[in-house]
Amino acid sequence: DGGITQSPKYLFRKEGQNVTLSCEQNLNHDAMYWYRQDPGQGLRLIYYSQIVNDFQKGDIAEGYSVSREKKESFPLTVTSAQKNPTAFYLCASSAPGLPYEQYFGPGTRLTVT
Amino acid sequence: KQEVTQIPAALSVPEGENLVLNCSFTDSAIYNLQWFRQDPGKGLTSLLLIQSSQREQTSGRLNASLDKSSGRSTLYIAASQPGDSATYLCAVPTAGQAGTALIFGKGTTLSVSS
Repeated sequence: DGGITQSPKYLFRKEGQNVTLSCEQNLNHDAMYWYRQDPGQGLRLIYYSQIVNDFQKGDIAEGYSVSREKKESFPLTVTSAQKNPTAFYLCASSAPGLPYEQYFGPGTRLTVT
Repeated sequence: KQEVTQIPAALSVPEGENLVLNCSFTDSAIYNLQWFRQDPGKGLTSLLLIQSSQREQTSGRLNASLDKSSGRSTLYIAASQPGDSATYLCAVPTAGQAGTALIFGKGTTLSVSS
């Protein structure tokens, strides 16, 4: 089955620790995205990548880092510099060309205490 | 800057009722508009995508319409069922360009009672 997988589903970390969220897709999509979802705020873009070895900051990139070494993988690292890291993180991908539809993974809920 | 608004924020209806969810956007230069469903604690499921050249799209009991000139889209759900209870989100591509990140509304949380 083609799709997007995110792991782990739940992640707990102590404040001050870096943590990496995994996102893998087997849809052969070029573009991949990371969004953050907070209650009452909707989804906000963290980073996106249109092609391997290239990525761009989104609206709330501070305290986050990404890499795109393989087409299938787009891991997100939440660093200790992120002031409010507790949130639901969603990864998405889209194929080039029409109709540019985005597909989402199941999400990772990160709790930092 | 593009902004997407969804009204109402929450909606409760009895089973069997037809209902309409609203989505508005400030910049009409969009390439497409996508409707998603999100169940609690889950990822987003794409329901319908309407390209700018289209007026509406249908999938089963769902019908989405798009009026670019007025900056509005509606999602019509016919004969609602308890299984339709979820949050519905609409989104448009940033800067009116296809293949880029999406700007989301905050969603409408629907509750259908049996």
